[in-house]
Amino acid sequence: EVQLVESGGGLVQPGGSLRLSCVASGFTLSDYEMNWVRQAPGEGLEWVSHISKSGSTTYYADFVKGRFTISRDNAKNSLFLQMNSLRVEDTAVYYCARESTVQYFCDHWGQGTLVTVSS
Amino acid sequence: SYVLTQPPSVSVAPGKTARITCGGNDIGYKSVHWYQQMPGQAPVLVIYSNSDRPSGIPERFTGSNSGDTATLTISRVEAGDEADYYCQVWDSSTYHRVFGGGTKLTVL
Repeated sequence: EVQLVESGGGLVQPGGSLRLSCVASGFTLSDYEMNWVRQAPGEGLEWVSHISKSGSTTYYADFVKGRFTISRDNAKNSLFLQMNSLRVEDTAVYYCARESTVQYFCDHWGQGTLVTVSS
Repeated sequence: SYVLTQPPSVSVAPGKTARITCGGNDIGYKSVHWYQQMPGQAPVLVIYSNSDRPSGIPERFTGSNSGDTATLTISRVEAGDEADYYCQVWDSSTYHRVFGGGTKLTVL
């Protein structure tokens, strides 16, 4: 069974940093590209970042570019999101999502981890 | 950047057909995917590549895409279909994944 388990969320002050992790099981992480998607309280889904199978290629939404860094450790079945210079508007549940090998959609999602940015 | 527009809400009586639209410039040339999100839960893929269903998704869920509008159709709606629905595409000009704003389906 495919499982994605996020961790690392919590309360942080504006300007602070957090590192989110996502541990994958039930499949070989190196066979899949991966995404982070977030959802602010009461709002819709918002794509954050994407990483290729090897980690050599990454993409970011404009609102996080230069502040967030996506990375992966395939040997440890793990995906990461380093978040720096956090803003109040970054408050959201952050989901780790596996991208299908067929096309550009997410076929499995984790349960998410809540990041709250507040003073 | 590419923008997807969904109606904020759609209401339908049980047993009837719900149609949720997703508008975008020439979206008919793109591959559209749909997700269902129950309250407090992670999204679940219900339609991919315009009209394909993942295993385990009822045949009541169908999708179409043409011109400037993609549509998720739910036939014989049940109370358990009440959820938020999101469309999504890949923007080939930026390599970004793009979500619509979401539509709340209410079963009357």
